[in-house]
Amino acid sequence: KAGVTQTPRYLIKTRGQQVTLSCSPISGHRSVSWYQQTPGQGLQFLFEYFSETQRNKGNFPGRFSGRQFSNSRSEMNVSTLELGDSALYLCASSASTGGTAGNTIYFGEGSWLTVV
Amino acid sequence: DQQVKQNSPSLSVQEGRISILNCDYTNSMFDYFLWYKKYPAEGPTFLISISSIKDKNEDGRFTVFLNKSAKHLSLHIVPSQPGDSAVYFCAASAQDGNQFYFGTGTSLTVIP
Repeated sequence: KAGVTQTPRYLIKTRGQQVTLSCSPISGHRSVSWYQQTPGQGLQFLFEYFSETQRNKGNFPGRFSGRQFSNSRSEMNVSTLELGDSALYLCASSASTGGTAGNTIYFGEGSWLTVV
Repeated sequence: DQQVKQNSPSLSVQEGRISILNCDYTNSMFDYFLWYKKYPAEGPTFLISISSIKDKNEDGRFTVFLNKSAKHLSLHIVPSQPGDSAVYFCAASAQDGNQFYFGTGTSLTVIP
């Protein structure tokens, strides 16, 4: 079974630009969540989607947005990039069927974003 | 506010000895806890989990202990191997299971 696939793996953008990152979950997984990892900050929750609906959102500005398609694939977008947005963006999927406890999330390898 | 805390940024252990990684949480609604291992330039890999109805879960060399009254969990690795050198994150979720809260990680170095 293929794991979580994220594209692109590495990208460099200029301040003020926007970026779109893509995530394909594990086959059969309907929940996709996104996390940002910066040095010393651990993994910060961005948002979580299930069946094309955003169920949870972390404490990030509105420049960060996402969506999920009917095939469970997800994209996240960051507009008006700032230097502080440089980070590893991780996508995770789980077999969550509606918010039951005990779900395990499985991560992709991440997309490294550098803003210059 | 950091609801999951890993107060030790780094830990060094001799090969063959026990590694103990600690994690504290503040939210009493958390009822599912996980440990992930992360190598540089890779995504976190799921290691082991524990539900709040248990106080111990074991998988090979990895054992997780949960002390609900102290809001504390720990990961024991016995025996430690050089390949275990990585950053370890603990994570917690509440009953809805939709959002996970992560600690800031502990970098484990196993010295051959």
